[in-house]
Amino acid sequence: AQSVSQHNHHVILSEAASLELGCNYSYGGTVNLFWYVQYPGQHLQLLLKYFSGDPLVKGIKGFEAEFIKSKFSFNLRKPSVQWSDTAEYFCAVKGNTGKLIFGQGTTLQVKP
Amino acid sequence: DGGITQSPKYLFRKEGQNVTLSCEQNLNHDAMYWYRQDPGQGLRLIYYSQIVNDFQKGDIAEGYSVSREKKESFPLTVTSAQKNPTAFYLCATKDRGNQPQHFGDGTRLSIL
Repeated sequence: AQSVSQHNHHVILSEAASLELGCNYSYGGTVNLFWYVQYPGQHLQLLLKYFSGDPLVKGIKGFEAEFIKSKFSFNLRKPSVQWSDTAEYFCAVKGNTGKLIFGQGTTLQVKP
Repeated sequence: DGGITQSPKYLFRKEGQNVTLSCEQNLNHDAMYWYRQDPGQGLRLIYYSQIVNDFQKGDIAEGYSVSREKKESFPLTVTSAQKNPTAFYLCATKDRGNQPQHFGDGTRLSIL
């Protein structure tokens, strides 16, 4: 069965620190990859997506992610986090079933 | 997203009762989805519908039912057979082709 694993469940950073959130998936075929963010009290929003082409994807609010096919990974990065980045982050993968499989989520807390 | 309306925002249910969560969209998207979000487990797919009058079970359909009589509406009924219904329920829609899913604001269901 397809699965998605996010390595970090809870991350605490100070403002201006760099961020990398890990995401690995278990499906070997063609995939579509997504990162969603859920700010406190708000709905899930799409941060960025990868369908094909350049494996380095840039999203909103300075986030980017790199698709490394050989490692089945799609890690999310941001060079310098802000207090407003405090949120829960979800990696999601769509494989051959057409269904979106979500990771467990990572809670990011940024200290001002 | 502004085009997806979930109601109510908070819902309380007595044990043994069925309750229905509403999801309405004006995005003209063909596909609609219901997810359940629990802490530390990410989002899990309950039911989905790719087209009017058709729907499929997701990974955790037991104790739930849906209908898709209109393109705009995809209500979810949490039946008394669902033994652990307390959760945050998210509705999502998707346009045709390689498009991401868009999410509503969610309904938080609690058992009295």
